[in-house]
Amino acid sequence: KQEVTQIPAALSVPEGENLVLNCSFTDSAIYNLQWFRQDPGKGLTSLLLIQSSQREQTSGRLNASLDKSSGRSTLYIAASQPGDSATYLCAVSGNQGGKLIFGQGTELSVKP
Amino acid sequence: DAGVIQSPRHEVTEMGQEVTLRCKPISGHNSLFWYRQTMMRGLELLIYFNNNVPIDDSGMPEDRFSAKMPNASFSTLKIQPSEPRDSAVYFCASSFQGYEQYFGPGTRLTVT
Repeated sequence: KQEVTQIPAALSVPEGENLVLNCSFTDSAIYNLQWFRQDPGKGLTSLLLIQSSQREQTSGRLNASLDKSSGRSTLYIAASQPGDSATYLCAVSGNQGGKLIFGQGTELSVKP
Repeated sequence: DAGVIQSPRHEVTEMGQEVTLRCKPISGHNSLFWYRQTMMRGLELLIYFNNNVPIDDSGMPEDRFSAKMPNASFSTLKIQPSEPRDSAVYFCASSFQGYEQYFGPGTRLTVT
């Protein structure tokens, strides 16, 4: 059974700092991995999708990497801003068109 | 595109009542997912459809829960009878050919 773990559960950093969020999964047979952002009381916003054949994806200040063999992904946020404060969720899919298995998320707070 | 649309956004009901949640996926998407989010269990899949056909309903808690997708642009999740432990945020998501999943704003259900 696939399990997804995100460490740390919470992170507080000063504005401008570069940071890394970690995600690990127990079964390396994944189809894709998706990173989401969730603001308090809101829905999920998709940030990046990495297919199993890819090593990384970039969007603006965000870079996500995938090491399928070791069951790890990282989300790198450059030059963090207070507006980046949110909960970041990692999720994996085991097959095309299939369900996502979510981690518990990392709650990020960026202090001005 | 308007994104995934869910209604109602908030629902407060008494134990024993029937609750119906509604979802309109993004036009052209052929996969639809119902997830539930609670503090204790995080985000979990309830059921998903491909091309209007239920594929995996292993996450549906019990017979009190049912879901339908009568056409490509509409789905319902019904709880009958509702119980206080059903209180959660219910999200609908859609995707095209199993790629990036896009989430709706969610329905916050409170059962008293």
